[in-house]
This record gives sequence, structure tokens and C-alpha cells, in this order.
Amino acid sequence: EDQVTQSPEALRLQEGESSSLNCSYTVSGLRGLFWYRQDPGKGPEFLFTLYSAGEEKEKERLKATLTKKESFLHITAPKPEDSATYLCAVLANSGGYQKVTFGTGTKLQVIP
Amino acid sequence: GAVVSQHPSWVICKSGTSVKIECRSLDFQATTMFWYRQFPKQSLMLMATSNEGSKATYEQGVEKDKFLINHASLTLSTLTVTSAHPEDSSFYICSARVGGTKDTQYFGPGTRLTVL
Repeated sequence: EDQVTQSPEALRLQEGESSSLNCSYTVSGLRGLFWYRQDPGKGPEFLFTLYSAGEEKEKERLKATLTKKESFLHITAPKPEDSATYLCAVLANSGGYQKVTFGTGTKLQVIP
Repeated sequence: GAVVSQHPSWVICKSGTSVKIECRSLDFQATTMFWYRQFPKQSLMLMATSNEGSKATYEQGVEKDKFLINHASLTLSTLTVTSAHPEDSSFYICSARVGGTKDTQYFGPGTRLTVL
């Protein structure tokens, strides 16, 4: 069974204090790993897709990396507007079709 | 970037009635659309995968007769919650998948359903 685990569950940072969020996965036939941010009461906002181990992508203060077992979302010098729940999901082959499995998310709070 | 819309964004209905939620990809054609539900403080739970022109694939434990999915075109999928009950109250989110070599899915803003 595909599993996606995110850690920590919640994280509080001071503005400017860099940190990393982790997404560990156990799937067969990985086709892609997605990172999203979700604000309360809204749908997830797409951030990145990573397709193979060693791949990295950056967007403003965010950088996502991927290995064969996990992905990290690095947040450099975060600002209060970065506060949100960050979700990772994997797209994998499952029983003849493709399935998306989400982690439970990391709730990030950035304090001014 | 790719935009996915959902309608309505918020609906309240009486127990026993049916509610239809629309999901549209506005500036691209989606090979596949997914339907999720999300309970408060929980992650997204995949309900079904919808491919244009074919029957939806439902996840284990999701009643296909209760959650009717119609994928009429490459830009529109609908989810109908039939004979809704209070336990169906949830946040329903769709996503549209852009396939090919750069496989990505984009999410709609979600629909908050409250069944009285």
C-alpha cells in the first residue's frame, strides 16, 4: 500500500528563520511528487512537481528536492505570508491505473 | 498558469436532496479529473478518478451510487451527491490533470457542502 508521511505536523518559525519540511514516501512506480500549499477553506495551490531523484526546483523562497525515499521543501528566510499548510502528494502506478496519495500536511506558522 | 474552477463554492441543502458540483478546467484540456473530500484539519482523501468519456474509478469505500461522477468533456466534470445526509457535509475539491511528460494536477478552489 502506498504511504506518504509528512513531518513535522506543525512548525512555528520566526520571520527569517529558515527550515525544511519533510515528505517520506513508500510507493511503487512513482510518476511524480507534488508540493502544494493550502490556506484555510481553500483548495490547494500548486507549487512544484518533481519527477526523478536528484531533481530540484525553486520558486521565490521555496526549494524542493527529491530522493528515492523522500522530498524536502526548504523555506529560506520565511515571511508571515508563507504561513499555510504544505501538502505533498505522490502520483504512482497502482493496480493498473494511476493514483494520487496525499500526506497529512505540515502546518507552518511564521511569526513576525 | 492552469486554472480550475468549481461551482458552487458554498452550498447548504436539506437532508435527502441532491447537490451537483461542477469542475472546469478553464484554459487547458484535462486528460483526467480527480475528486477529493477533505474533513476539517485532515488531508485530502481521493474519492474517484474521472476520465473523459468513460466511467469513473472509485476508491475503496466510496459509494458510486451516492457520488455520481460525469465527465462530459475534456474541460468539465461533475460530482452529484445524491440523497445527501449530514455526514456528507465536507469540503469537496476537484483537480484536473495535465498529462504527458510533465504530469501535474491543478486544484479547484473547493466547494463547501453543508447538509442540514
